[in-house]
Amino acid sequence: AQSVTQLDSQVPVFEEAPVELRCNYSSSVSVYLFWYVQYPNQGLQLLLKYLSGSTLVKGINGFEAEFNKSQTSFHLRKPSVHISDTAEYFCAVRPLDSSYKLIFGSGTRLLVRP
Amino acid sequence: DSGVTQTPKHLITATGQRVTLRCSPRSGDLSVYWYQQSLDQGLQFLIHYYNGEERAKGNILERFSAQQFPDLHSELNLSSLELGDSALYFCASSAGQGALGYTFGSGTRLTVV
Repeated sequence: AQSVTQLDSQVPVFEEAPVELRCNYSSSVSVYLFWYVQYPNQGLQLLLKYLSGSTLVKGINGFEAEFNKSQTSFHLRKPSVHISDTAEYFCAVRPLDSSYKLIFGSGTRLLVRP
Repeated sequence: DSGVTQTPKHLITATGQRVTLRCSPRSGDLSVYWYQQSLDQGLQFLIHYYNGEERAKGNILERFSAQQFPDLHSELNLSSLELGDSALYFCASSAGQGALGYTFGSGTRLTVV
């Protein structure tokens, strides 16, 4: 079975400060990894994904994430956040089996303060 | 606009009733997934259809059922509704195995009173 852990339920940060949102996963098979963002009253939008190759992936809105296989982590980072980054962020894995399903973490609420 | 269309956006109904949620996938996508988002359970995978066939089931209750039609739109049927079924229901689509990511609709907010 697979699971995704986002240890931080909320991360407060000041505008223009750097931020890291943590994600760890557990899986008996290889996985694809994703980060999604959910703004209030909206659906989920894909930020970035890791399929293979370079472990550092860049996404939209200045976000990036690094895949660490030995630590089974896929932490999301941004060097300088804006007020508009305030949202819920979800890490997800897609196990490379026949299920095709995404398994989500519990989410981290990023709260950017002026 | 993500390209995945869900209707209705909001639904308020009474306990014991039955509702149908509809999803039209992004053009060209053959896979449709249904997810339930609630405060206590988070985002839970319900079911996956690929080109009209059921491919995987998650934590879907027996009171819930889904299907995907020849035009690839999908419907999620929820019956004998309980207060605990109140949640945001998302539909997502992907072209095939989801390697390019899953595109989500804006969801249907179901409130059972």
